[in-house]
Amino acid sequence: RKEVEQDPGPFNVPEGATVAFNCTYSNSASQSFFWYRQDCRKEPKLLMSVYSSGNEDGRFTAQLNRASQYISLLIRDSKLSDSATYLCAVNMQQAGTALIFGKGTTLSVSS
Amino acid sequence: NAGVMQNPRHLVRRRGQEARLRCSPMKGHSHVYWYRQLPEEGLKFMVYLQKENIIDESGMPKERFSAEFPKEGPSILRIQQVVRGDSAAYFCASSPRSGITEAFFGQGTRLTVV
Repeated sequence: RKEVEQDPGPFNVPEGATVAFNCTYSNSASQSFFWYRQDCRKEPKLLMSVYSSGNEDGRFTAQLNRASQYISLLIRDSKLSDSATYLCAVNMQQAGTALIFGKGTTLSVSS
Repeated sequence: NAGVMQNPRHLVRRRGQEARLRCSPMKGHSHVYWYRQLPEEGLKFMVYLQKENIIDESGMPKERFSAEFPKEGPSILRIQQVVRGDSAAYFCASSPRSGITEAFFGQGTRLTVV
């Protein structure tokens, strides 16, 4: 089983739609979770951290389910500008570990 | 406050040459991570360094690849005797500490081996 897995998509949705992505991780000791956004041929940019209690930033909501070992990202009222690849990243809360990324989920929002 | 700086942005090398990729972390960051991304692939972790120390190189190919982060100056990822399969985007990220913190990425170096 891969350390971090995502459905590659693509997810094709119309403007205004609500879309959700999941990401599963294999290491139950993982403590830190993040969502990054990557536009074509650009660097990944941090979208949001994922906290145990869940967190929201505008149209974006991130959730963590430790029991099932997955994190989710919900995007409401999708915009054309949301079209990108969304990467989840996981690491363990201890020294000497780096972020491990999933392969990403591609979202395409159309008008 | 400059972000993570990588150079060059684009690098073309002939097979058998050496490639040197540089990364200057964000101010105040002492942890550097290198990742490789092949076309249509995800980010693959290569190596994690702190100043003058390699913390984790489990993702580095056993041959031809090396990395350093000296006390002064940028982190360097070196690829000796490049082959076509080394063509990829190489991203560097930095963080102020390891563990719970997020990492911030540079714009990457696109290596093309001809």
